Amino acid sequence: GQQLNQSPQSMFIQEGEDVSMNCTSSSIFNTWLWYKQEPGEGPVLLIALYKAGELTSNGRLTAQFGITRKDSFLNISASIPSDVGIYFCAGRRSNTGNQFYFGTGTSLTVIP
Amino acid sequence: DTAVSQTPKYLVTQMGNDKSIKCEQNLGHDTMYWYKQDSKKFLKIMFSYNNKELIINETVPNRFSPKSPDKAHLNLHINSLELGDSAVYFCASSHTGLGQPQHFGDGTRLSIL
Repeated sequence: GQQLNQSPQSMFIQEGEDVSMNCTSSSIFNTWLWYKQEPGEGPVLLIALYKAGELTSNGRLTAQFGITRKDSFLNISASIPSDVGIYFCAGRRSNTGNQFYFGTGTSLTVIP
Repeated sequence: DTAVSQTPKYLVTQMGNDKSIKCEQNLGHDTMYWYKQDSKKFLKIMFSYNNKELIINETVPNRFSPKSPDKAHLNLHINSLELGDSAVYFCASSHTGLGQPQHFGDGTRLSIL
């Protein structure tokens, strides 16, 4: 099945720093999603993107749908300790109906 | 109120046993999903139901059988459990029109001895 590659695999940053992560695929996608998963819980949907080039914010989080339609980016500004978790991208290819494929995840640790 | 609730939260059992995981959502969503998350945290869809009808059935051993008695419930029954079935299983739901899993349960941690 399709697997999306996320980079970096893990990040250790100081509180207050900005964070950037990305997600790439070998196929063209028509929808990108970003989720956050905290220990012992299920993923929580953060942002959904539907058009190439689209830039959407949710508080300190901003995600972009890459113009090639093969990638997406997530930025977190002024990180705080509660941003800790694993961030997953998920994407849907144009020709696979409702099937969403998940990325490999980026683990974020924020040092107070 | 919990939006998507799964039971049990933990399941420890012997190889070869049969077990079920239950899922219920109180969001009024039409579509429900089962995902498997392995030890490397990789999430993979297993099944998706829309209004009690199976719409996604990924390459999953037929030992796994989902059942949706109504659109608020999607249960997962697993026969003849194997060591490789150890994982966290997540139930999720969404509105039909969006097609993306919006709300996940907290997962069922299945450990096979």
